[in-house]
Amino acid sequence: AQSVTQLDSQVPVFEEAPVELRCNYSSSVSVYLFWYVQYPNQGLQLLLKYLSGSTLVKGINGFEAEFNKSQTSFHLRKPSVHISDTAEYFCAVNSYGGSQGNLIFGKGTKLSVKP
Amino acid sequence: GAVVSQHPSRVICKSGTSVKIECRSLDFQATTMFWYRQFPKKSLMLMATSNEGSKATYEQGVEKDKFLINHASLTLSTLTVTSAHPEDSSFYICSASGGRPGLAGTYEQYFGPGTRLTVT
Repeated sequence: AQSVTQLDSQVPVFEEAPVELRCNYSSSVSVYLFWYVQYPNQGLQLLLKYLSGSTLVKGINGFEAEFNKSQTSFHLRKPSVHISDTAEYFCAVNSYGGSQGNLIFGKGTKLSVKP
Repeated sequence: GAVVSQHPSRVICKSGTSVKIECRSLDFQATTMFWYRQFPKKSLMLMATSNEGSKATYEQGVEKDKFLINHASLTLSTLTVTSAHPEDSSFYICSASGGRPGLAGTYEQYFGPGTRLTVT
């Protein structure tokens, strides 16, 4: 069985500060990893994904994440946040090797950027 | 590309009535569509997975007779909440995957904007 743990439910930061949103996963098979962002009353937008290759993945809006297989982590980072980055962020995992499977989501981290 | 729409975005209905929510993939053929439910300040809970032309697979604890899912074509899936009750009030989100050149096998899901259902 797979699971995703987002260690922080809320992360408050000041504008232009760096931020890291943590994500750890558990899986007995190799995985694909995703980060999604959700703005209030909206669906999910894909920020970035790790499928294979380079462990450092760059996404939209200046975000990046690093896949660390030994630590089973996929932390999301941004060197300088903006007010507009205030949103809920979800880490998700999907196993490969079988049929197009389900995404398993973490519980989300609410990023609040303050001026 | 890979746009998924949902209609309606908001719906208010009376207890006991049924509500249909549509999910469409606008620029690709979705071999698989997923329906999620999101409670306030909570993560997404997968309700069911549907493949075009076959019956939906429901997650444990989801009443298939209450949440009817139809995936009649490669671009349309519908979720019908039958005999809705106030406890069915929630944010329902669909996603779609598969069938688009370049995306095959990536297991990536594209999400709709969600539908806010309020049952009074």
